[in-house]
Amino acid sequence: SAVISQKPSRDICQRGTSLTIQCQVDSQVTMMFWYRQQPGQSLTLIATANQGSEATYESGFVIDKFPISRPNLTFSTLTVSNMSPEDSSIYLCSVPDPNEQFFGPGTRLTVL
Amino acid sequence: AQTVTQSQPEMSVQEAETVTLSCTYDTSESDYYLFWYKQPPSRQMILVIRQEAYKQQNATENRFSVNFQKAAKSFSLKISDSQLGDAAMYFCAPPGLSAPLNNAGNMLTFGGGTRLMVKP
Repeated sequence: SAVISQKPSRDICQRGTSLTIQCQVDSQVTMMFWYRQQPGQSLTLIATANQGSEATYESGFVIDKFPISRPNLTFSTLTVSNMSPEDSSIYLCSVPDPNEQFFGPGTRLTVL
Repeated sequence: AQTVTQSQPEMSVQEAETVTLSCTYDTSESDYYLFWYKQPPSRQMILVIRQEAYKQQNATENRFSVNFQKAAKSFSLKISDSQLGDAAMYFCAPPGLSAPLNNAGNMLTFGGGTRLMVKP
């Protein structure tokens, strides 16, 4: 199983600013996923991040708003850019395993 | 497109009783995995149970079991002897697009969730 940590665990930000969320995995993984969970909602996939290539974004998400870095096989960052109150959500990273997906503890973002 | 429907936004069960959470989905795949995840207030996503679509036998994990009806594309979760610690959001998750059997770790498509409350 994979152990995943995220930083920060929560933050309160002003609109118009940007926040970078870090995701660290205790083992090397090729693929990492970033999800958004809006208040009271389910999880929605933002993008898939493979090491050594550009992230693949899902419909409704764009690189300018959610740039992703994947510098090595154990680490990834997601930046929420030019934030608005609508970006207030929990952001989770996850990694696949042959039998399941493992999730980080999430980052709770509040935009004022 | 992949769709997942959890028709019960909220469910309530008395402690020690049994409750069933429903999930229906749509997929064009013939071989895939299905998952139920639990999200307590700590917001950590925890795998409850996994079902391989090619297996006819329903998966069981202690007090948790599934009723998998492949033709009907139905995947319900039964919790027996409910405990206070079972109170959480439960998400049904079949794999997203392009999910071959040997790669259960493909991206998941989550249902809207069911909030389970357990009454003492």
